[in-house]
Amino acid sequence: TQLLEQSPQFLSIQEGENLTVYCNSSSVFSSLQWYRQEPGEGPVLLVTVVTGGEVKKLKRLTFQFGDARKDSSLHITAAQPGDTGLYLCAGAVGNQFYFGTGTSLTVIP
Amino acid sequence: SQTIHQWPATLVQPVGSPLSLECTVEGTSNPNLYWYRQAAGRGLQLLFYSVGIGQISSEVPQNLSASRPQDRQFILSSKKLLLSDSGFYLCACSPNTEAFFGQGTRLTVV
Repeated sequence: TQLLEQSPQFLSIQEGENLTVYCNSSSVFSSLQWYRQEPGEGPVLLVTVVTGGEVKKLKRLTFQFGDARKDSSLHITAAQPGDTGLYLCAGAVGNQFYFGTGTSLTVIP
Repeated sequence: SQTIHQWPATLVQPVGSPLSLECTVEGTSNPNLYWYRQAAGRGLQLLFYSVGIGQISSEVPQNLSASRPQDRQFILSSKKLLLSDSGFYLCACSPNTEAFFGQGTRLTVV
């Protein structure tokens, strides 16, 4: 059973475009994290959101936690080739972290 | 801040051979530790997690086992590898509400 579904699964865009990645679940999470992973490496934590409705910004990246703490979105403004990678959301339930299905982003120069 | 050491980076093993992947953590005490497996370009599947020495919880039935002989050491093992055990294995540490990852081990069973 996959607790977290991400969409889209694949995304290929031109440099300078905007994009949004969604992370949805029917479960409530105490916190939700977003990670970026490059091939052959471990995921790197980008942000943690804890409060329902919370919005966090990290340069051109904007993260939002749903009011009911079941879903989240990641919006990237003016994407750059360096944003290319696999984006993963993860929800914390007690001691466990459940990861989403992943969104593979390619930004074309 | 914590550092997660995971080795080896790549491993090619024949079917039926044993496996031992090691993960050690620095910079934190009594963390929760995790083993995940990742299919190419996809999300992570939780295999095992541990909240303390000798305490292992398994998420899915499988050919693998885990042990935590010391506070900051987590080992993933198998007595006989299957072709389906191939994948990218990641060790993670959570000292609080966030997870931090090692660099991963690419295992190919041939």
